[in-house]
Amino acid sequence: SQQGEEDPQALSIQEGENATMNCSYKTSINNLQWYRQNSGRGLVHLILIRSNEREKHSGRLRVTLDTSKKSSSLLITASRAADTASYFCATAINTGTASKLTFGTGTRLQVTL
Amino acid sequence: ETGVTQTPRHLVMGMTNKKSLKCEQHLGHNAMYWYKQSAKKPLELMFVYNFKEQTENNSVPSRFSPECPNSSHLFLHLHTLQPEDSALYLCASNPGANEKLFFGSGTQLSVL
Repeated sequence: SQQGEEDPQALSIQEGENATMNCSYKTSINNLQWYRQNSGRGLVHLILIRSNEREKHSGRLRVTLDTSKKSSSLLITASRAADTASYFCATAINTGTASKLTFGTGTRLQVTL
Repeated sequence: ETGVTQTPRHLVMGMTNKKSLKCEQHLGHNAMYWYKQSAKKPLELMFVYNFKEQTENNSVPSRFSPECPNSSHLFLHLHTLQPEDSALYLCASNPGANEKLFFGSGTQLSVL
C-alpha cells in the first residue's frame, strides 16, 4: 500500500459545517503537505507542516501532525461551497536533492448549500 | 495561476502517434517533475529533474521519454502509447528538496 492514505475517501457536508480529513503514512518523513485539486485541474498547495511541528494554521485550515502515530489531519472550518474539491496529503522523505513527495488517493469533499 | 504552464490542455492520440507535452516555469525553480494521475489511483511520480539532470525515473516504460533542455522547460515525449496510458499528466516544480510543489493545470491525455 502507498505511503499516504487519506480517510475518508469521500465526505459530504453542508455549508458552515467543519470538515475533517485524515492521513496516515508509514515511514519517517521530513514534512507533510496538504494539497487541493478541483476536478481535472492541477493541485494547489495548501499547507506544509514539518516533522518537528505539531499544529499549524492558515486561515480556515488547521493541520495537525502526530509523528508517533504517523498521522495527520486537515480541518476546514466553516466550510463553503467553494471548498468542494479533492484533498491530498503528501509526505516528503529526505532524499538530499529534489523532493520525493508521495501522494495518497485523496478525500473528495462535497459542500452543499 | 501557479506560474507553471502546461500545453496542450487536452490531447487525443492514436497508439501509433508521436506527441509531446510541454511544461514551462519562470519561477526560478531548480527541480521539475512529471506526475501521472489515473482515476482512483494515487498520483504517480514519473520523472524528476534537478538542475536539468534526471535524478528519478520511477520505472516508467520507455514509450515515455522526458527531456529537460534547461531549468525552465520540461517535455514529455510520447510514442506508441497504450489505452491504459490515458490519464491526467501533471508537471510541477519547486525550489528544492522537500519544498512545496507548484503544479501546472495538466494535460488530459486520451489514447485511442
